[in-house]
Amino acid sequence: DVKVTQSSRYLVKRTGEKVFLECVQDMDHENMFWYRQDPGLGLRLIYFSYDVKMKEKGDIPEGYSVSREKKERFSLILESASTNQTSMYLCASTSSGAADEQYFGPGTRLTVT
Amino acid sequence: GDSVTQMEGPVTLSEEAFLTINCTYTATGYPSLFWYVQYPGEGLQLLLKATKADDKGSNKGFEATYRKETTSFHLEKGSVQVSDSAVYFCRGGTSYGKLTFGQGTILTVHP
Repeated sequence: DVKVTQSSRYLVKRTGEKVFLECVQDMDHENMFWYRQDPGLGLRLIYFSYDVKMKEKGDIPEGYSVSREKKERFSLILESASTNQTSMYLCASTSSGAADEQYFGPGTRLTVT
Repeated sequence: GDSVTQMEGPVTLSEEAFLTINCTYTATGYPSLFWYVQYPGEGLQLLLKATKADDKGSNKGFEATYRKETTSFHLEKGSVQVSDSAVYFCRGGTSYGKLTFGQGTILTVHP
């Protein structure tokens, strides 16, 4: 059974804190993605990675960075959290390109106070 | 660029009603098309997919047919249940291009 796991389901952080969200997949997938989901805005792509140590900006990368040191792990970093980064964060992976099925983690609900 | 336009919600139905959620795409080439479902408090999971024109995806009583002539992939179910209440996302993607999600449609089914 394929699996994408995320380090936390719920997280509360203070403004200005550095925040790490981690995602692990056990399917040996090449591509991994970070999205944020907000009411009325659907899913917005923050960053994606198509290989170890490779990353590409998505549609809304400002305020975020990522790290992919190992194939199975893709981390999202908020260098200095702000209240407008309060959101649901979803990680996903896919074996090759955009024509393939994506597998999603359960999501992390981040609240920045 | 590539895009997916999805019927906006929310959609509210009574149990056993017929459901249609519209999805149309714009792409250079012919994308694979997907419907994902997100139940409350969970991540997205694949509901069904189609990879070429005239393909029909089906799962859990839901169906969608890839219509090249209308560039559409509408989701249908003949008789919805309360347990179908969720958010539904249409998605397109080509092997050389981007993944593109629709905005999502919230479905609420009342007993």
